[in-house]
Amino acid sequence: AQKITQTQPGMFVQEKEAVTLDCTYDTSDQSYGLFWYKQPSSGEMIFLIYQGSYDEQNATEGRYSLNFQKARKSANLVISASQLGDSAMYFCAMREGLNTGNQFYFGTGTSLTVIP
Amino acid sequence: GAVVSQHPSRVICKSGTSVKIECRSLDFQATTMFWYRQFPKQSLMLMATSNEGSKATYEQGVEKDKFLINHASLTLSTLTVTSAHPEDSSFYICSASRPSGENEQYFGPGTRLTVT
Repeated sequence: AQKITQTQPGMFVQEKEAVTLDCTYDTSDQSYGLFWYKQPSSGEMIFLIYQGSYDEQNATEGRYSLNFQKARKSANLVISASQLGDSAMYFCAMREGLNTGNQFYFGTGTSLTVIP
Repeated sequence: GAVVSQHPSRVICKSGTSVKIECRSLDFQATTMFWYRQFPKQSLMLMATSNEGSKATYEQGVEKDKFLINHASLTLSTLTVTSAHPEDSSFYICSASRPSGENEQYFGPGTRLTVT
């Protein structure tokens, strides 16, 4: 089974609107971390937001928030007030366990296009 | 600023030659680094986990004799693509985690390899 599933290959959003990028995960570990990365056309991976499995509140970082629903094993990324510079690939990732040396599992990504 | 660097950012080589890619953690010691490969419009595929002072752990299907990984110091890991062929053309990205504390995995800017 896939560890991380992103079901939206491509998404479009109007500038200044909010958009939700879906991510579901599969793990039997109690301790894990969920991440979202942005990858613009330049290829660099830009860290956006992190949610720990024990965090009770949804993580927020500026215009990014993570809608964490543990029972449903979902970790959707919400981008508010979209900007043209938000157009990029977005990857959801998971690391199992607490060891920062553990590998990441990545989803297949969602290509977001912001329309002026 | 960037905490993980990669060199070169772009390389073109002839079929049959070898290419070395360096990954450096700039302001922290990384006992573990990861090497990924990414094809156009696809997700990151973990190739191997590079551990300082020991042999790398390769993912299933990755030829360890073709993709040589050396993690000789706590700030440097190298990936050597030996006897490169056109099918090895890809985007190679490394990442590293701080030994403790932060959850984020820091990515290098990537190396685009083209084998002619």
